[in-house]
Amino acid sequence: EDKVVQSPLSLVVHEGDTVTLNCSYEVTNFRSLLWYKQEKKAPTFLFMLTSSGIEKKSGRLSSILDKKELFSILNITATQTGDSAVYLCAVGSITGTYKYIFGTGTRLKVLA
Amino acid sequence: SQTIHQWPATLVQPVGSPLSLECTVEGTSNPNLYWYRQAAGRGLQLLFYSVGIGQISSEVPQNLSASRPQDRQFILSSKKLLLSDSGFYLCAWSVTRRDIQYFGAGTRLSVL
Repeated sequence: EDKVVQSPLSLVVHEGDTVTLNCSYEVTNFRSLLWYKQEKKAPTFLFMLTSSGIEKKSGRLSSILDKKELFSILNITATQTGDSAVYLCAVGSITGTYKYIFGTGTRLKVLA
Repeated sequence: SQTIHQWPATLVQPVGSPLSLECTVEGTSNPNLYWYRQAAGRGLQLLFYSVGIGQISSEVPQNLSASRPQDRQFILSSKKLLLSDSGFYLCAWSVTRRDIQYFGAGTRLSVL
C-alpha cells in the first residue's frame, strides 16, 4: 500500500531558527512530490519536485528530493511567526489511476 | 487568473439531514476537480475526482456522492448525514491529473 510519512509531527521553534521537515514515501511508480503550507484553511502550493538532487528555492524556503532514498526535505531558514502552519507533503503515484497521496503533515509553531 | 470558490465555510447539521457543498472554479476550462476530506491527525483523503462534466470517480465507499453538472462546478452531497461525516472538506482543481492541485478555503462540517 502506498504511503507518505512526515516527520516530525509537530515542532516548536523560536524566530530566527532553521527548521528541516521530512517527508518519506513508499509509492508505486513515483511521479512527483508536492509541498503545501496550510495555515488555517486552504493549503497553498510551495514546491513541485520531480528530479533528484535539484533544489527548489523560494525566499527562505527550499526543498530537495532524493529518489534513491525515497524522501524529501523542506528547509526554512530564519523562521518567522508567519511561518507557523501545517506543512503537507503529497506524492503523485500511478497505482490504478494517477492521484496524490498526502502525509499527515508537520505542525510548525514559531515563537516570537 | 484562476480562482476557486467553496461554500459554505462552516456548517452544522443534525444526523440524518441532507448535505450539499458547492465548489466553483473561474478562469480555466475543463479543469480536473477533486473533493478531499481532512480529519484531525490524518492526511487529506481523496473522496472523488472528475475529469469532465458528468464524469465522477469515487475513491472510497462512503455515505457521500459527487456531481459535476457544469464544467467548473463540483458538488458534494449526502442524503443522510452520519456523525462520522464530520470533518474538513476541501475542493481542489488542476489542469491535468499530474499537475499541481489548487485548493479552496474548505468547509468545516459538524454533524451533531
